[in-house]
Amino acid sequence: DQQVKQNSPSLSVQEGRISILNCDYTNSMFDYFLWYKKYPAEGPTFLISISSIKDKNEDGRFTVFLNKSAKHLSLHIVPSQPGDSAVYFCAASGWGSGNTGKLIFGQGTTLQVKP
Amino acid sequence: DGGITQSPKYLFRKEGQNVTLSCEQNLNHDAMYWYRQDPGQGLRLIYYSQIVNDFQKGDIAEGYSVSREKKESFPLTVTSAQKNPTAFYLCASSIGAGNTIYFGEGSWLTVV
Repeated sequence: DQQVKQNSPSLSVQEGRISILNCDYTNSMFDYFLWYKKYPAEGPTFLISISSIKDKNEDGRFTVFLNKSAKHLSLHIVPSQPGDSAVYFCAASGWGSGNTGKLIFGQGTTLQVKP
Repeated sequence: DGGITQSPKYLFRKEGQNVTLSCEQNLNHDAMYWYRQDPGQGLRLIYYSQIVNDFQKGDIAEGYSVSREKKESFPLTVTSAQKNPTAFYLCASSIGAGNTIYFGEGSWLTVV
């Protein structure tokens, strides 16, 4: 049972344009959401997070949007740069209904930004 | 520098042997985690520990064991019972459960 899903395995974008990465979740008890970026053979690095009391959080070129009614979040990268090419994971956590606050990760989306 | 250190970076093991992956953090975090990543797949939780001397199984704990005798250390043993041990292993930590977790650089384990 995949509680966090990233349905697009890959995304290709031209440099300077917007990259939009999507993530869906099924557990209504999740209340904290994060995005991580991962290069090959390295550990993921934390990018940005959002709690369920907000619907938007922005940090430089990165913005995360949360739509609780649709159980959907997205990461926008504007403008996209070649160095953004990596695998992006969304993750969620929550308490209650058997959850213990541990993070549940999606499968990841590979972003390629073309020069 | 504060951070999470995993060792070794690359490890080869013969079938039937146990191997232990080291994870040390100097961030004063209470919670520590072990994840596994297989090619083209996401991160799957093996074990996690919210406090010293306590740990819980994650989604794929079979064939693995852990200990948490010290706050800064959370070693993972991959036993011979693990049927598909070849993978990229990631250790992580957080201030507490439910908070942002931070990862080490990972360890590649190959069974030959």
